[in-house]
Amino acid sequence: AQTVTQSQPEMSVQEAETVTLSCTYDTSESDYYLFWYKQPPSRQMILVIRQEAYKQQNATENRFSVNFQKAAKSFSLKISDSQLGDAAMYFCAYRSSYYGGSQGNLIFGKGTKLSVKP
Amino acid sequence: ETGVTQTPRHLVMGMTNKKSLKCEQHLGHNAMYWYKQSAKKPLELMFVYSLEERVENNSVPSRFSPECPNSSHLFLHLHTLQPEDSALYLCASSQDYRSGANVLTFGAGSRLTVL
Repeated sequence: AQTVTQSQPEMSVQEAETVTLSCTYDTSESDYYLFWYKQPPSRQMILVIRQEAYKQQNATENRFSVNFQKAAKSFSLKISDSQLGDAAMYFCAYRSSYYGGSQGNLIFGKGTKLSVKP
Repeated sequence: ETGVTQTPRHLVMGMTNKKSLKCEQHLGHNAMYWYKQSAKKPLELMFVYSLEERVENNSVPSRFSPECPNSSHLFLHLHTLQPEDSALYLCASSQDYRSGANVLTFGAGSRLTVL
C-alpha cells in the first residue's frame, strides 16, 4: 500500500522569504500523480500544484514549485516570496494512475502547518 | 453558485440523534467523495460514488450511511454516532473516478461534534 509522509508538523517563514516543505512517499508503482493541497483556516482544500510521475520536469505554478526526485520518492514544495495569505496547512497527496483497485483514492500525508511572520 | 458546497458548516449532535450532511457540486463532475479529517491524522477516504453508484466503502461503520441521488448531490446520513466520530467531514468531486490525473475539488467541510 502507498503511504505519504510529511515529517514537518509545523514550519515558519518570514514574509517575502522562501520556505520548502518536505514530502516523501512509498510506492511500488511507476506511474502516478502527486499533489500539494493547501487548507487555509476557511477549511477548503485548494490545489496548489500537481506533478505527473512520468514527467521529469518539475511543476511550477507562479510562486510555487516542486522538487520531484522520483528515485528518492521525494516531492518537496518550495514557496517563494512568501505572503501572509500562504499561511495554511499544506498536504502532500498521492494518486495512482493504474486502472482498477483503489486508484480513486487520494492518499494524504498528515500535513504541515505553515505560519508566515510579517 | 459554483464549486462544491457543503451544509451545514457546523453540527453538534447527541449520540442518539439522526442528522445528515449535504454536499452539492456545480462542476458537472461524475465522481463524488466523502473524506474524514481528524486532528493529527491523514485524511481518510470514506466513500466514493461514480455516476451515482458506490464504488468504494473503506470499512466505514454502518452508523454512517451515504446517499447519492444524482451526480450533483451527495449525502452522509448519521445515526447513533460516537464521540470519536467528531471530525471535519469533507466532500469532494472530480471529473471521473478512474483517472489518476483528475484533480479533486473540495468543499469547505462540515465540522461535526458528537456529545
